Formats: sequence, C-alpha cells, structure tokens
Amino acid sequence: DTGVSQNPRHKITKRGQNVTFRCDPISEHNRLYWYRQTLGQGPEFLTYFQNEAQLEKSRLLSDRFSAERPKGSFSTLEIQRTEQGDSAMYLCASSLAQGVDYEQYFGPGTRLTVT
Amino acid sequence: AQSVTQLDSQVPVFEEAPVELRCNYSSSVSVYLFWYVQYPNQGLQLLLKYLSGSTLVKGINGFEAEFNKSQTSFHLRKPSVHISDTAEYFCAVRLITGGGNKLTFGTGTQLKVEL
Repeated sequence: DTGVSQNPRHKITKRGQNVTFRCDPISEHNRLYWYRQTLGQGPEFLTYFQNEAQLEKSRLLSDRFSAERPKGSFSTLEIQRTEQGDSAMYLCASSLAQGVDYEQYFGPGTRLTVT
Repeated sequence: AQSVTQLDSQVPVFEEAPVELRCNYSSSVSVYLFWYVQYPNQGLQLLLKYLSGSTLVKGINGFEAEFNKSQTSFHLRKPSVHISDTAEYFCAVRLITGGGNKLTFGTGTQLKVEL
C-alpha cells in the first residue's frame, strides 16, 4: 500500500486554459474526496464519490469544475476556463465507507497556479 | 451547518516547552473531532481523533487533546515540543450521521518551534 497519490504535483497554467488532475486512492478504499486549500485557509470540501457514484458536490464546485471516478478506482478533477481565483492546492483523500472508526488518508496535493 | 474556529494563526514556542493549540467548534448536531498536521509540501496526516468515550485522547508524536462538550472545544496539547513539530495544524469536525463523512476544517495554526 503506497498511500494516496496525486499527479501532477504542480501545475502552472494560463488563465482560460483547461487543466486535469488525477488522484489514485488506496486500493481498497471505496470513498474518495476532493478538497481545495487556498493560502492561509484550511481545506474546503468540494465533492466525494462512493465507488463510481458522485454523492455530493459543494456549492464551491462551479459549473467549470467536473470530477469523475469512472471505474470506482482513480478519479480526475477537471477545471475548464481557469481563473486566477482557482489558484490553490487541490487535495484528494480516500477512506473506507463502512464503520465508524474510519480515517481519511490524504494525498500530497496538486498545487495549481493560474497566471 | 458546522464550523471550526482556530483563533491562533501562529504560535511560536521554544523547544522543550509545552504548547496548546486551541480549537472551538459550532454544530447543531453531534460531531466527531479530529486534529491533522501538515508539513510543508505534504498532505495532511491524522494526529488524533475523538469519536466517543474518554474525553482525553492521545495521538501520535506525543500529542493529546481534550474534548469539552460544554465549551465546545477540542484543544491540542503537547508537554514538550521538538523542532520537528514545526508544521501547520488543523482542527476538523465531521457529522456523526449524514454529511457523507466530509470534514470541515478550521483555518489552521502554524506552530513554529524555536531553539
């Protein structure tokens, strides 16, 4: 078990371009979460999946954002027509769904800079 | 909706001194409580959690926290800090029922341990 991985680790893009990030969760985890962390703030929930189903989306997730988890394994987060306000660290986490005593394991994040 | 307040954005402390990082939460329903640590350019790592039972919980790296329901607090303590404890610390809550297990974080406290 190598933990949650995210690629790329850093992405610099020009305003208006589309970007896609990938998250590979811990293999037996059926829940996958995306969070966004801006400078000086704590992570904010964006969306989560249970297996391939997207069960909740935050109002922070505008129409320019889309997330998928097509086979219930890895997930992608796409941002279309990026804006400078999208600059942030995008964190992925995974967990088991069953049981109370669970833990969300976080990846190292993808840092997006929109110029 | 639930919220988390970490009043101290930065806490400087000398090595081997004790430290307390404060966390207060607000929620109309019962929550679980967590403390995470984030080292530079890394994801979040769980330090400890309160689910039920004893209000004093012990975590990794010598940290402990006490849940105080009447004061809606979950302060993090360490009796003697080390230079390697320098990091950002986040308090978080999760609804016991519903909410999809998503975490709501505070804005974080930067702990800086000095020699």
